[in-house]
Amino acid sequence: GAGVSQTPSNKVTEKGKYVELRCDPISGHTALYWYRQSLGQGPEFLIYFQGTGAADDSGLPNDRFFAVRPEGSVSTLKIQRTERGDSAVYLCASSRRVGTNTGELFFGEGSRLTVL
Amino acid sequence: GENVEQHPSTLSVQEGDSAVIKCTYSDSASNYFPWYKQELGKRPQLIIDIRSNVGEKKDQRIAVTLNKTAKHFSLHITETQPEDSAVYFCAARGIGQFYFGTGTSLTVIP
Repeated sequence: GAGVSQTPSNKVTEKGKYVELRCDPISGHTALYWYRQSLGQGPEFLIYFQGTGAADDSGLPNDRFFAVRPEGSVSTLKIQRTERGDSAVYLCASSRRVGTNTGELFFGEGSRLTVL
Repeated sequence: GENVEQHPSTLSVQEGDSAVIKCTYSDSASNYFPWYKQELGKRPQLIIDIRSNVGEKKDQRIAVTLNKTAKHFSLHITETQPEDSAVYFCAARGIGQFYFGTGTSLTVIP
């Protein structure tokens, strides 16, 4: 596609439920990032992938959060036993390369998660 | 890890005036500093960036300056227009992930 696509755009769930958020990056972008953005805050780093492997998952808040990118393209962020504090916009971004060279981040529109 | 601080959190200027947003970073290994603009309900979009081997970069009404010694960088918007109203985020990246500041909500008053 022309840009980074995220689904669903909105997700309302009940506390304790499991959710999956999907990100389809720009074709050919090897790096994929997940961020979480709460109201009035900057994007908070969660995890990034270089290809299929998670190069850095140090931003994942706890073991309820997990992300995969099995074929090096689409990624899924998985949240188990959701809590009200998980409510936020989850942003996905991709870039052409990771490393000491620059690589502009292209963001998706985000998935707004609301945990009741 | 990297820590990026951004000031001010809110900024109001009259149309035509200049706006300056400042960021500091902690990791001397960071070498790429982009600025993103986010309009309400929309995705962040890159407006300008600077690499660590450059001290200043300008693109029409927007400029960014970098002081590696002091570990700070700034966004300058001149001749502000109402459509410049948005939230602006600075970011820093070394090898790998980007760390973002907390954002500056800029309002340009017509």
